[in-house]
Order: sequence, then structure tokens, then C-alpha cells
Amino acid sequence: GAVVSQHPSRVICKSGTSVKIECRSLDFQATTMFWYRQFPKQSLMLMATSNEGSKATYEQGVEKDKFLINHASLTLSTLTVTSAHPEDSSFYICSARRQGAGNEQFFGPGTRLTVL
Amino acid sequence: LAKTTQPISMDSYEGQEVNITCSHNNIATNDYITWYQQFPSQGPRFIIQGYKTKVTNEVASLFIPADRKSSTLSLPRVSLSDTAVYYCLVGDMAGGFKTIFGAGTRLFVKA
Repeated sequence: GAVVSQHPSRVICKSGTSVKIECRSLDFQATTMFWYRQFPKQSLMLMATSNEGSKATYEQGVEKDKFLINHASLTLSTLTVTSAHPEDSSFYICSARRQGAGNEQFFGPGTRLTVL
Repeated sequence: LAKTTQPISMDSYEGQEVNITCSHNNIATNDYITWYQQFPSQGPRFIIQGYKTKVTNEVASLFIPADRKSSTLSLPRVSLSDTAVYYCLVGDMAGGFKTIFGAGTRLFVKA
């Protein structure tokens, strides 16, 4: 089956620093990737849709200057949390949509970000 | 995007069949119904997808009535490892829809 990886799996950083999270589709090409954030005991919240070679589309209320998304290739999208603060601490999950019948969507294992 | 409504939580015992129903009253003609499972601190995992009637795979069955305004995920003979959150999503697969998650159903399987 299709595999999506995320790196790192967990990261702890100091307030004010920037953190980059990578999302890779390992065995398929993904023209579209999605980034989600999930707080404890809550559902996944879509942050943005990332299309290869174009600017990401952000959901309402998500600051595009704070959450920088780059989708430079068909297998890699990155999310950079700039000037992270404790309230940015969360579980970040990416997903990749595989082109073809059904446009199946596969999720990464998630990245736990803790901002001190 | 069609909104979905699911029970917040359900309890069951090992070996029982569990049925989780999802309401999606404003489902569109091109929308498919997809169910995901999520364990704590992991990404969601695809379970099953359907458009109408019944779909079955090695882990679950999905029942969709003729009006498609609801769907039921059926998990046969659950085990403790099926304790997870189950999400029902509705969207136009061909159109490349955004996957918007509802609250999901927290299933707790007891011994």
C-alpha cells in the first residue's frame, strides 16, 4: 500500500524558534498534500492544502505567514512553523492524495510538536 | 462539503459486532463515503469507502441505504485493539475534495 512518512516524529523547541516538518509520499506521486493539526481529544483540523508547484491554500483562521508550506516536488511537502509559541504545541499530520481512480488519500504518522 | 454527524462515543465488549452510524443528510450526487480509524498519536488509517448499497473488505462492512443520507460502519467481532476513534467523511473523490474531519466516534472495547 501507499506510504506517507513524516519527519521528525516528535520535536521539542524553544519559544521563538522555527520548526520544519517534512511530509513525503514514499511510493507514489502526490500532486496534492494536506496539513492538519490535532489538539488532545479533538478531531483533525485542516490547516492548508498544498499543491505541487503552486502556493498553498490556507483554511480560514490559519496564518499563512506563520505556517509556511512548500510543495516543491511530487513527493515532498514541508510545513514550517515560524516563531513557534507554546500554543502551537500540537500534533501535526499530513496526508497525500494519490492520483488515479478514487483519488485515495493516505496519512502520515504525525509529528508531535512541543514548544517550551 | 456535506456535514457528518456521528455518536460521540460507544462502548462494546470483545467479540461483539459494532455498528457506527453516520448521518450526512446533504450528501451530493458525486460524494463518496469514507471511514477512517485513528489510534492515539497516530495518523488516520483508511478503513473502507463506498458510494451506495454495501461494501465489504477484510476488516469492515459499510452499509449505505438507497437515499444515502446515512451510512453504517460495521466491525465484526471487535477486539481490544479496535479501541480507537472512527471518522466518517463525505466528499467528491473525482473532484479532489478537501478532507474535513468531523468529531468522530470514540469506540472503547472492553474485555
